[in-house]
Amino acid sequence: DVKVTQSSRYLVKRTGEKVFLECVQDMDHENMFWYRQDPGLGLRLIYFSYDVKMKEKGDIPEGYSVSREKKERFSLILESASTNQTSMYLCASSPARLAGITDTQYFGPGTRLTVL
Amino acid sequence: SQQGEEDPQALSIQEGENATMNCSYKTSINNLQWYRQNSGRGLVHLILIRSNEREKHSGRLRVTLDTSKKSSSLLITASRAADTASYFCATVPILTNAGKSTFGDGTTLTVKP
Repeated sequence: DVKVTQSSRYLVKRTGEKVFLECVQDMDHENMFWYRQDPGLGLRLIYFSYDVKMKEKGDIPEGYSVSREKKERFSLILESASTNQTSMYLCASSPARLAGITDTQYFGPGTRLTVL
Repeated sequence: SQQGEEDPQALSIQEGENATMNCSYKTSINNLQWYRQNSGRGLVHLILIRSNEREKHSGRLRVTLDTSKKSSSLLITASRAADTASYFCATVPILTNAGKSTFGDGTTLTVKP
């Protein structure tokens, strides 16, 4: 079974702090994704990566950056946390798109971040 | 509005009844997937239907896809209390890279024992 783990289930930080959210997958997937989920807004893509050291902005990248130094690990960084970044953060991974390969994403359990 | 919109937003039924959720989308797609999310947890993939398929079954789940109407439905038969969760459709538009999916806002299903 694919396993995607996230470093924390719950996190409380103060405004202005630098925050690191870590995600690790064990299935050698090329693609990794960071989403945030807010009530009434569904899942919104922040950043995704299709290879080591490669990244692309999603729909709401402002205030976030990412790092992918190793294939299995994708980190989301909040350079200076703000209260409007209080949210549930979900990491996902999927295999590379090849002929016949599905785009199924495998999700981690989520990190509920509160910024005070 | 966002590609992949579920309808209804919330659904409450009795155990044993069937639950139907709908998803509409805007652009041409490679495939459409349904995911389930238990409260406060990550999403779990349920079923994928390709653009050249019209219907697919998996256990108590039945998914249909109508590409002419750009819509899909998820039917859960003989529902159980354990089916209580939020259900999301996700579309993979043609000409997108890295398998990037667009998720809808979800339908929250409550199955009363």
